[in-house]
Amino acid sequence: GDSVTQMEGPVTLSEEAFLTINCTYTATGYPSLFWYVQYPGEGLQLLLKATKADDKGSNKGFEATYRKETTSFHLEKGSVQVSDSAVYFCALSVVEGAQKLVFGQGTRLTINP
Amino acid sequence: ETGVTQSPTHLIKTRGQQVTLRCSSQSGHNTVSWYQQALGQGPQFIFQYYREEENGRGNFPPRFSGLQFPNYSSELNVNALELDDSALYLCASSSIMTGFGETQYFGPGTRLLVL
Repeated sequence: GDSVTQMEGPVTLSEEAFLTINCTYTATGYPSLFWYVQYPGEGLQLLLKATKADDKGSNKGFEATYRKETTSFHLEKGSVQVSDSAVYFCALSVVEGAQKLVFGQGTRLTINP
Repeated sequence: ETGVTQSPTHLIKTRGQQVTLRCSSQSGHNTVSWYQQALGQGPQFIFQYYREEENGRGNFPPRFSGLQFPNYSSELNVNALELDDSALYLCASSSIMTGFGETQYFGPGTRLLVL
């Protein structure tokens, strides 16, 4: 079945470091891909998305490129801030009657000043 | 524009009881999906409602049921609560158009604790 595998956490970085969180997926067909972020005690916020191969999603300095050949959607940011500390979820969208999201297990990111 | 809202924010129940969680979808959205997020895990799809009908369900037993109302708000009902039902329940709204790549917008969730 469809699935998403994320880089194991937790990840701890210093402020202004470069961030990569790996995400790979298995899917039949051509899913849309998403990154959501969850701050402590809150729901999920959409960070970025890509709907077809080679699309690049970007928002708030974060970027991810839909790579069909490697079935990947890695999240990157050039210079992280303390306020980026959160849990990040990679997800794919499949349509099986309903349009549902399949999530990875999440990666907890902590940025130290 | 009003985002997705959920109530209550927290709830404590005992095993065997029943619970109803509520969700108001974002303005302009006609579809509501429910997810269960256990501690330290990614959300798991429970079901989705469109035009007041369930149009897809994940791997959850029938004691998880729902409703969607004409104003597109929704309820999630769970009967015969079990300890493993303790989780954050997330509601997401979206607008089904092409069926592909439609973004789901999440509410803040209801945290349910079953004792």
